[in-house]
Amino acid sequence: DTEVTQTPKHLVMGMTNKKSLKCEQHMGHRAMYWYKQKAKKPPELMFVYSYEKLSINESVPSRFSPECPNSSLLNLHLHALQPEDSALYLCASSQGTSADTQYFGPGTRLTVL
Amino acid sequence: GEDVEQSLFLSVREGDSSVINCTYTDSSSTYLYWYKQEPGAGLQLLTYIFSNMDMKQDQRLTVLLNKKDKHLSLRIADTQTGDSAIYFCAERYMEYGNKLVFGAGTILRVKS
Repeated sequence: DTEVTQTPKHLVMGMTNKKSLKCEQHMGHRAMYWYKQKAKKPPELMFVYSYEKLSINESVPSRFSPECPNSSLLNLHLHALQPEDSALYLCASSQGTSADTQYFGPGTRLTVL
Repeated sequence: GEDVEQSLFLSVREGDSSVINCTYTDSSSTYLYWYKQEPGAGLQLLTYIFSNMDMKQDQRLTVLLNKKDKHLSLRIADTQTGDSAIYFCAERYMEYGNKLVFGAGTILRVKS
């Protein structure tokens, strides 16, 4: 089973809203990732959690706040977003070892009005 | 620096072979990946190769690696209409938290 699940599938929010994206995997992976993908562009790394600790933050604005409550779950808390933050948000996970293949979820399509 | 480049568009007839090309920049040992993305979907891992290998075959997929030129290709044999998608080449930066850097993606269109 190489499944990563993400909820919700679609999200529409105003600039003053607070919302959260959720990601879950049950493959025993110890590394989890958030990527942002704009239309017709490749995914861009936002955050990496390794063994439940934030290991990489790619200079992401503080209106995006990641959280890893346990090794199976990854959240992305959203607050005061801008319309340019509208994108597909992809979660991925990997074993956290040298053979570290990343498996992606289906993504959450976010629209900020 | 981090730079992965791909050809942007490929159109083939059903039943023909497709070859998608990619160049990468990291000079150290690394893993290179091919992902497929259908419209509105996430990324599906197709295959990967370690940079000390020359070739890897997996059913209809063949990956060729030219280490000297840092050139990677993905060949899809007997291309089907279901293969129409965007194909991303990605390089893993093992010294930087296993960060993946993606190429721009190649749009593959299969004509029946």
